Amino acid sequence: DTEVTQTPKHLVMGMTNKKSLKCEQHMGHRAMYWYKQKAKKPPELMFVYSYEKLSINESVPSRFSPECPNSSLLNLHLHALQPEDSALYLCASSQSPGQGVNNEQFFGPGTRLTVL
Amino acid sequence: GDSVTQMEGPVTLSEEAFLTINCTYTATGYPSLFWYVQYPGEGLQLLLKATKADDKGSNKGFEATYRKETTSFHLEKGSVQVSDSAVYFCALGRGSTLGRLYFGRGTQLTVWP
Repeated sequence: DTEVTQTPKHLVMGMTNKKSLKCEQHMGHRAMYWYKQKAKKPPELMFVYSYEKLSINESVPSRFSPECPNSSLLNLHLHALQPEDSALYLCASSQSPGQGVNNEQFFGPGTRLTVL
Repeated sequence: GDSVTQMEGPVTLSEEAFLTINCTYTATGYPSLFWYVQYPGEGLQLLLKATKADDKGSNKGFEATYRKETTSFHLEKGSVQVSDSAVYFCALGRGSTLGRLYFGRGTQLTVWP
């Protein structure tokens, strides 16, 4: 299985809602990532988990809360979002971060989030 | 710090034309270099990669050579198809930065029949 899956594919939420994005991989990868991508822009790194521990937080607002329950799963909990948070949220995984190997990342299809 | 500069787009070509998308990088040492492709409404797919100087990555008719002397990793294809229409991202990564990838701005390619 060489796939990263993400659910849901689309999500519409109000500014007072609480929702979660889910990401799963079964490639035995030990690094997982959340990215935010606005239209016609490259992905922006939000969080990196390495061996299930949060290792990078790119100064993301606290209304985004990541969680890594185990080595295969990654969640992004959303609360009190703003309309400007509307974007494509991408999950990715890679084999072994920070070990000198080339850090090829495998991306999921993304969740298209709209905040009303 | 590490960075990637990618040619401005969009690029519009007729089917069977030759494609070049320029990518240069700034980095110390020997990072790994990647080209990712994003089709409309989808996530990013790894197109090809190179991990050391003079390596040539290739896939689906696309090629790119890691040139240390010119700090470049230009993407080429000899004959593009309508199905190649997508956004192409050049990226740089190294094992010492916890898997962080540095992306170029992306180049929109449109191929007309």
